[in-house]
Amino acid sequence: NAGVTQTPKFQVLKTGQSMTLQCAQDMNHEYMSWYRQDPGMGLRLIHYSVGAGITDQGEVPNGYNVSRSTTEDFPLRLLSAAPSQTSVYFCASSTTGQGYEKLFFGSGTQLSVL
Amino acid sequence: AQSVTQPDIHITVSEGASLELRCNYSYGATPYLFWYVQSPGQGLQLLLKYFSGDTLVQGIKGFEAEFKRSQSSFNLRKPSVHWSDAAEYFCAVGEGGSYIPTFGRGTSLIVHP
Repeated sequence: NAGVTQTPKFQVLKTGQSMTLQCAQDMNHEYMSWYRQDPGMGLRLIHYSVGAGITDQGEVPNGYNVSRSTTEDFPLRLLSAAPSQTSVYFCASSTTGQGYEKLFFGSGTQLSVL
Repeated sequence: AQSVTQPDIHITVSEGASLELRCNYSYGATPYLFWYVQSPGQGLQLLLKYFSGDTLVQGIKGFEAEFKRSQSSFNLRKPSVHWSDAAEYFCAVGEGGSYIPTFGRGTSLIVHP
């Protein structure tokens, strides 16, 4: 099983550029989410989705957009990259997202914004 | 809203020594509690979880954790650490219907040979 697949693994952007981080899962999970990980800050939730066509904001949504057109895919869009968005990004999924389900994580995307 | 505190940013142990990583949570009802491990360059992997029942929970890789309601704690333990246990460890708390667990800031485990 592939699980949760994130692409790319590494990306360097210039300030103001836009890009999309891809996330796909093959487990038919309803719940998908995006986190960013920064040193000393742990994991902070950016956006999440509880099913196709349904998305909501997390703790740090500014500067990011998401959409969920299929159950499998949950891309994260950076509209105009800023140095403050330099981070490691993780996509995660679970069956229901009811707070008690195990999260499956992708291997991460390391993003640098110059 | 629930919150999680991992008071230790770094922990250093010698290989073969015992390990305890601390986790304190804030939540009114019985929480759902998790420990995840992140190896360098990897995503997070679930070590163990507690929902109800026996307060001592066994996980993968020889880890265990004990839920203590009176202390609002869910500390992770391992009797003998291996060099491959060097990683970042995250405690998380969830509540039914909230959709999203809350993660602590993580504890970095360093293992000396």
